[in-house]
Amino acid sequence: GQQVMQIPQYQHVQEGEDFTTYCNSSTTLSNIQWYKQRPGGHPVFLIQLVKSGEVKKQKRLTFQFGEAKKNSSLHITATQTTDVGTYFCEPNDYKLSFGAGTTVTVRA
Amino acid sequence: DAGVIQSPRHEVTEMGQEVTLRCKPISGHNSLFWYRQTMMRGLELLIYFNNNVPIDDSGMPEDRFSAKMPNASFSTLKIQPSEPRDSAVYFCASSSRTDYGYTFGSGTRLTVV
Repeated sequence: GQQVMQIPQYQHVQEGEDFTTYCNSSTTLSNIQWYKQRPGGHPVFLIQLVKSGEVKKQKRLTFQFGEAKKNSSLHITATQTTDVGTYFCEPNDYKLSFGAGTTVTVRA
Repeated sequence: DAGVIQSPRHEVTEMGQEVTLRCKPISGHNSLFWYRQTMMRGLELLIYFNNNVPIDDSGMPEDRFSAKMPNASFSTLKIQPSEPRDSAVYFCASSSRTDYGYTFGSGTRLTVV
């Protein structure tokens, strides 16, 4: 099925630094969801974005939905070792697949 | 709330054998999804049920795969006969609405030798 594109595929971050992962779609999305999967674990729902231009924060994580509702981003500030894992965006349409995810590793 | 419960956690079977994976969704959730995850293909949706009815099974790889949801609290994914290329982690997820976050089970790691 159609898939959103996530970039980068891999992100190696020094502990304490910030980084951003992006999720892009060729079509307008009704909403988008973000999940985190720890190594060896299962995807865990983080947040849903619905409105154009919406910004939501969860502690050090900031989620944004683009004005055209075709892209989204996740920004993590002051990365910690607990942020290790793969972050997926999911376009909240079961006919569309999860993105390939951004796998984050942290250098202590 | 015990979350989405999957069994078994690990399954090792020989090629040609039948494999049955089980899922108990969260009580009250009316949507249930089966996903398969591999390094090569990522997370793939296999089938989606709404109110126990299969809505879309276009992701089911082939006739060897079948899924049932006889009631709101139980679903199975069966592979018969199994092949080594079926080796993957199979996740079940449920949701109270198709337009909100899914709760995933811990998955079943299937190895077909």
